[in-house]
Amino acid sequence: EVQLVESGGGLVQPGGSLRLSCAASGFTVSSNYMSWVRQAPGKGLEWVSVIYSGGSTYYADSVKGRFTISRDNSKNTLYLQMNSLRAEDTAVYYCARGHGDYWGQGTLVTVSS
Amino acid sequence: DIQMTQSPSSLSASVGDRVTITCQASQDISNYLNWYQQKPGKAPKLLIYDASNLETGVPSRFSGSGSGTDFTFTISSLQPEDIATYYCQQYDNLLGTFGQGTRLEIK
Repeated sequence: EVQLVESGGGLVQPGGSLRLSCAASGFTVSSNYMSWVRQAPGKGLEWVSVIYSGGSTYYADSVKGRFTISRDNSKNTLYLQMNSLRAEDTAVYYCARGHGDYWGQGTLVTVSS
Repeated sequence: DIQMTQSPSSLSASVGDRVTITCQASQDISNYLNWYQQKPGKAPKLLIYDASNLETGVPSRFSGSGSGTDFTFTISSLQPEDIATYYCQQYDNLLGTFGQGTRLEIK
């Protein structure tokens, strides 16, 4: 059974950092393209970052230069390193497989002083 | 960037009604379009992929059509459990983009 479980969210001050994790089971992360999608409170969905099976990475303009997507093949886990966090980064962050056939339950990131 | 314009932003309909949501891409995306259902506090659920293919386990009252820039999502007979927000999403580009969402309510 395919499962994605995010962790690492929490409250952080503006300018701070967090690393989100997405542990996958039932499939191999490195054989798929994987995404991070976020949803600000009461708002719509925003695609944040993608990592392709070959290792290429892409970012939304809103996070470029601040966020880094990566994966650990030995742990079958996807990561999102978030630096220089801003209030507008406050959102539930989801990891998703491929075009979005499977999603995690989401982890809340709150950026506030 | 490819922009997705989804309409309407909200919709009120009665049980049994036929409901239609449209999504327009700012450029040709072939059939690289998904439709999702999201209920409060839950992750989005994939309903339709490649514009018109029903995801496994999704009821047949849900359907999608279109290609190029214009797409349609239809619920043939609205059920109470269909109350949710629906999103289109293109994945023709390296980084996908979502429509603004359609909040569906029961009249």
